[in-house]
Amino acid sequence: SAVISQKPSRDICQRGTSLTIQCQVDSQVTMMFWYRQQPGQSLTLIATANQGSEATYESGFVIDKFPISRPNLTFSTLTVSNMSPEDSSIYLCSADRGNTGELFFGEGSRLTVL
Amino acid sequence: GIQVEQSPPDLILQEGANSTLRCNFSDSVNNLQWFHQNPWGQLINLFYIPSGTKQNGRLSATTVATERYSLLYISSSQTTDSGVYFCAVETDYGQNFVFGPGTRLSVLP
Repeated sequence: SAVISQKPSRDICQRGTSLTIQCQVDSQVTMMFWYRQQPGQSLTLIATANQGSEATYESGFVIDKFPISRPNLTFSTLTVSNMSPEDSSIYLCSADRGNTGELFFGEGSRLTVL
Repeated sequence: GIQVEQSPPDLILQEGANSTLRCNFSDSVNNLQWFHQNPWGQLINLFYIPSGTKQNGRLSATTVATERYSLLYISSSQTTDSGVYFCAVETDYGQNFVFGPGTRLSVLP
């Protein structure tokens, strides 16, 4: 199974600042995804990170707020821009194993915005 | 888009008891997974089960795709089983994995 690591694991940020979360997979994967989990809620897909092209965003999420990079088949970043307290959430990176379609998750990055 | 429901929303068990968690979905699916989110927030894969039955130790799962539901069975529950259980589905028309609202399980010693 793919091992997925995220940095930072947690952070406390000031309103108006931006934070970039890194996601590293230990093997090449076709699809990488970014999810948000607001306090006490389920997971919501933010976007699919495509290697070599722009990310595909879900309804309600825009590139200006959540820019994503995918420079190669093992790495992706998510930036949360111009943060407000409403952005306080766990952000999770996930990857598709490819042929089987099974989804694996990183440990998550817990953001608190003051 | 597809709707995913889970029941019950909350469940409290005494250690050693058995339980059944249910996931209903509103459309045909290609993939279905069950996850356990532990109290530290980590998501752990339990089953990848688009159809059929699988067992792993005290846990087993059954998906009846034609009737659009999946069941997760936990036997002889332990306090370490506490957390939130999510099912997630991927439709056969390409919609990415959609998560249900989860079942919050508390196992008391």
